[in-house]
Amino acid sequence: NAGVMQNPRHLVRRRGQEARLRCSPMKGHSHVYWYRQLPEEGLKFMVYLQKENIIDESGMPKERFSAEFPKEGPSILRIQQVVRGDSAAYFCASSRDHSAGELFFGEGSRLTVL
Amino acid sequence: QQQVKQSPQSLIVQKGGISIINCAYENTAFDYFPWYQQFPGKGPALLIAIRPDVSEKKEGRFTISFNKSAKQFSLHIMDSQPGDSATYFCAASMTGTASKLTFGTGTRLQVTL
Repeated sequence: NAGVMQNPRHLVRRRGQEARLRCSPMKGHSHVYWYRQLPEEGLKFMVYLQKENIIDESGMPKERFSAEFPKEGPSILRIQQVVRGDSAAYFCASSRDHSAGELFFGEGSRLTVL
Repeated sequence: QQQVKQSPQSLIVQKGGISIINCAYENTAFDYFPWYQQFPGKGPALLIAIRPDVSEKKEGRFTISFNKSAKQFSLHIMDSQPGDSATYFCAASMTGTASKLTFGTGTRLQVTL
């Protein structure tokens, strides 16, 4: 499967725990984006990364959320001390060219905070 | 100023009918307008996209109409089929950051037999 791979697909955490979501972009894509989808809402941009660099994190909450895209391995979205309001679907997307516009999305990671 | 408003929230269309979904934007710097289709449990997939140098773009049964002066664009699905039942999102972005999309809130389309 040459598509964007996300795991886990479903994650359940208790309040205060950490959630770690992983994303492997499509082959040949060096631009990675994380979007969050709350129930009955559209997707909201969170962060844009290239290898080893955070390019735009204007959509990331100021606290508890962080993202990385290391030289080797998948991009990781990390949520510390989760709260119920973090329950959402988190989608990763990748593109070959940031200015081209076409994003390829993964199937998402659905986080439930108890 | 980054908002994209989408309507209707849900839509039921008979098989063979025309589905129409509308979006309006505020930021005049937006110049890339894609539509994404999302099936339950899946990620969004790009359906069709338009830039403001044209007023209409057609791909198969899917057509985007664009009205720059009104800051509105719409998706028309001709001869709607049950397999078209999905949630449709309009989006917008700007030159240079076209992949940083501002999404509408989505339209849940159901095509009945």
